Amino acid sequence: DGGITQSPKYLFRKEGQNVTLSCEQNLNHDAMYWYRQDPGQGLRLIYYSQIVNDFQKGDIAEGYSVSREKKESFPLTVTSAQKNPTAFYLCASIRRTGATNEKLFFGSGTQLSVL
Amino acid sequence: ELKVEQNPLFLSMQEGKNYTIYCNYSTTSDRLYWYRQDPGKSLESLFVLLSNGAVKQEGRLMASLDTKARLSTLHITAAVHDLSATYFCAVWYNNNDMRFGAGTRLTVKP
Repeated sequence: DGGITQSPKYLFRKEGQNVTLSCEQNLNHDAMYWYRQDPGQGLRLIYYSQIVNDFQKGDIAEGYSVSREKKESFPLTVTSAQKNPTAFYLCASIRRTGATNEKLFFGSGTQLSVL
Repeated sequence: ELKVEQNPLFLSMQEGKNYTIYCNYSTTSDRLYWYRQDPGKSLESLFVLLSNGAVKQEGRLMASLDTKARLSTLHITAAVHDLSATYFCAVWYNNNDMRFGAGTRLTVKP
């Protein structure tokens, strides 16, 4: 079945440590996104990538980094510079069936907590 | 910059009652989305509204879009416990990303 796979489901980070969240999709979608969700709040965009080897910062990119070496994969690294990383992280990709008809597909999310 | 505001943020309903969730956005957009999220889970797409006056219905949920008023509504008819979840509206911004409202946490009580 096609879909977006995020791993791990739960992740713990020690102070000063970098951690990487995995996002893989087999939907053949070009564009992929990383969102952060804090308790009781909406989603905020961290980074997005429209094509392989290209990515753009979202609203809250500081303390995060990404890569897009393959179409299927868009890993997110939470660096030690991100001082408040505890949140639920969602990866998404987009299917465009027309000029104005997009649908965002989401992964199941990774809950990151600080030890 | 696009801002998306939902209200109410918290909604407690009795089963069998009707209610409406509102979503206002601050700049022009002709694409609005509604998502459902269960606790600890990902987002599930409910509706895509692509034009002024668009109305879509699925079961007890009906969504509409008024692009002139920059307003979308999600109407709940005869609520049941299974509808308890958080509902988000979202609007495309600059063709690059989707901006989300803060969400409406709906609880349906027997």
